[in-house]
Amino acid sequence: DAKTTQPTSMDCAEGRAANLPCNHSTISGNEYVYWYRQIHSQGPQYIIHGLKNNETNEMASLIITEDRKSSTLILPHATLRDTAVYYCIVRVAFSGSARQLTFGSGTQLTVLP
Amino acid sequence: DAGVTQSPTHLIKTRGQQVTLRCSPKSGHDTVSWYQQALGQGPQFIFQYYEEEERQRGNFPDRFSGHQFPNYSSELNVNALLLGDSALYLCASTLVGERSYNEQFFGPGTRLTVL
Repeated sequence: DAKTTQPTSMDCAEGRAANLPCNHSTISGNEYVYWYRQIHSQGPQYIIHGLKNNETNEMASLIITEDRKSSTLILPHATLRDTAVYYCIVRVAFSGSARQLTFGSGTQLTVLP
Repeated sequence: DAGVTQSPTHLIKTRGQQVTLRCSPKSGHDTVSWYQQALGQGPQFIFQYYEEEERQRGNFPDRFSGHQFPNYSSELNVNALLLGDSALYLCASTLVGERSYNEQFFGPGTRLTVL
């Protein structure tokens, strides 16, 4: 699975958009970008995933660059409850078997009142 | 729709003891993975069970073993506990299949403290 690079920490004002970047310059053509977050002392929570098109769900939007070497997770209106560590993970989706998740250090997002 | 459940929530053991952690997957899921998360670090993959067999294993010693039951629930066993085994143990479930994106859903974890 491709390696990812994320900033260690970011702050965001409550009510503003939080934009979390991720670099994955060695991504392969069949690898998807997944985002998870982990609120303190809880299990990681799946947020969104994508291959090459921009994706949106009720939690967030995922913007993947045309060359797929980087992506941005967007939380449109951050709340205090969005304070968490956000993990960007790249791996194959359809493999006939569930592939393990390889977590990096993630980005600690702190939403400020 | 029940999510992933784990028991117990917290556990305190002493060095050399053995421990068993339990996990029930999300309804409809058939694959269970276990992760260890030390304080301040990201989760590390231990192993994965599918069709009652260990399918993948991370870089963990044989002291870590597991089991999956016919109802897809799973156990993680750790023998000869060391202080370094103190961590949050996470269970994740998913549905394997050609049309599955393999999103993994995590339980709340079991906090193990080894004294």
